[in-house]
Amino acid sequence: KAGVTQTPRYLIKTRGQQVTLSCSPISGHRSVSWYQQTPGQGLQFLFEYFSETQRNKGNFPGRFSGRQFSNSRSEMNVSTLELGDSALYLCASSFRTDTQYFGPGTRLTVL
Amino acid sequence: GQNIDQPTEMTATEGAIVQINCTYQTSGFNGLFWYQQHAGEAPTFLSYNVLDGLEEKGRFSSFLSRSKGYSYLLLKELQMKDSASYLCAVTGGYQKVTFGTGTKLQVIP
Repeated sequence: KAGVTQTPRYLIKTRGQQVTLSCSPISGHRSVSWYQQTPGQGLQFLFEYFSETQRNKGNFPGRFSGRQFSNSRSEMNVSTLELGDSALYLCASSFRTDTQYFGPGTRLTVL
Repeated sequence: GQNIDQPTEMTATEGAIVQINCTYQTSGFNGLFWYQQHAGEAPTFLSYNVLDGLEEKGRFSSFLSRSKGYSYLLLKELQMKDSASYLCAVTGGYQKVTFGTGTKLQVIP
């Protein structure tokens, strides 16, 4: 099976812009979770989608949003970018409640 | 809420054994994961403990004590390629996963 794919791999934006990141889970996986990883904070949970419904949400402002499509592919959007949004954004898919398989991540740099 | 503690850094010698500890306080608990993350790469799954006790997978073993809110990852016969960050993560209600900040392990010759 193909692994989790994320696009784009690298992105450079300026403050105030918005960005959309995409994640394609492993075939058959219906759960997709998003994380933000920074050197100081580690992996921070953003949200989780299961069968097109947001099932969990972390403690991030409303500028961070996401959605999941009927084919389980997911997108996350960040509006009004801030310098502090520079991070590695990781997507992980799982079949049910156990092992999460991570994609390679999208490295976002906000200038 | 969830709180997870693990040491920030550890150093061990090639061929030796190292134990990485993780303690947690959670409002709900389903299971505990250990992930390995090499610099610049995505985390990869190592183990998932739901019940108390030790689970062994080759050179890696993971232990869980739910009553003590404690887990450890044991790495035997350390190799240079084991130099990485090791992330402890807890699943709570509704499968929400909380990660610790990770333990950076350096293996030296």
